Amino acid sequence: NAGVTQTPKFRVLKTGQSMTLLCAQDMNHEYMYWYRQDPGMGLRLIHYSVGEGTTAKGEVPDGYNVSRLKKQNFLLGLESAAPSQTSVYFCASSYLGRRSTDEQFFGPGTRLTVL
Amino acid sequence: GDSVTQMEGPVTLSEEAFLTINCTYTATGYPSLFWYVQYPGEGLQLLLKATKADDKGSNKGFEATYRKETTSFHLEKGSVQVSDSAVYFCALSETISNTGKLIFGQGTTLQVKP
Repeated sequence: NAGVTQTPKFRVLKTGQSMTLLCAQDMNHEYMYWYRQDPGMGLRLIHYSVGEGTTAKGEVPDGYNVSRLKKQNFLLGLESAAPSQTSVYFCASSYLGRRSTDEQFFGPGTRLTVL
Repeated sequence: GDSVTQMEGPVTLSEEAFLTINCTYTATGYPSLFWYVQYPGEGLQLLLKATKADDKGSNKGFEATYRKETTSFHLEKGSVQVSDSAVYFCALSETISNTGKLIFGQGTTLQVKP
């Protein structure tokens, strides 16, 4: 099992450009999450999904869109990148997120720089 | 809303020293509590968890006890190694929404010197 994978690993964008980050999991997990990690702020939830075809906003959703067309994939889009979106992005998944005991499994991260 | 507060880092210790990283939380309901570890250049990995009051989570020599009366979940290890150098995150599971969402502390960087 590859677990949770993310592509790309690194990306540099210019202000106003768009891009899509791909997260894939092979554990048949229902729940998937996108976080951003900034120095001194821990991880903050951007969007999440509780199943194929569903998405919901997290703590910091502005400037991002997501889609979950297939159960194993969760895409994070930036339509018009801004320097404030420079961050490390992590995807995570869990089996049955509605149980508070469920562990989340994390991908290796995508380091995005917006110039 | 729910929140997690960790002691600020970085924490610098010599090998074999005792480690404590403080974590306190504010939550409605009865969340589960987690410690995640992030090694350089990697994603987060679950280190240990506790699901109810007085539970003790343990793994790789690390321990933390769910203290409801003090709303704390401090991480401890009796003798740290250089390989323990990493960023440690305390987190709680949000119970109201039933979505498994985690609320993270800001992270504490641990550096262990030989």
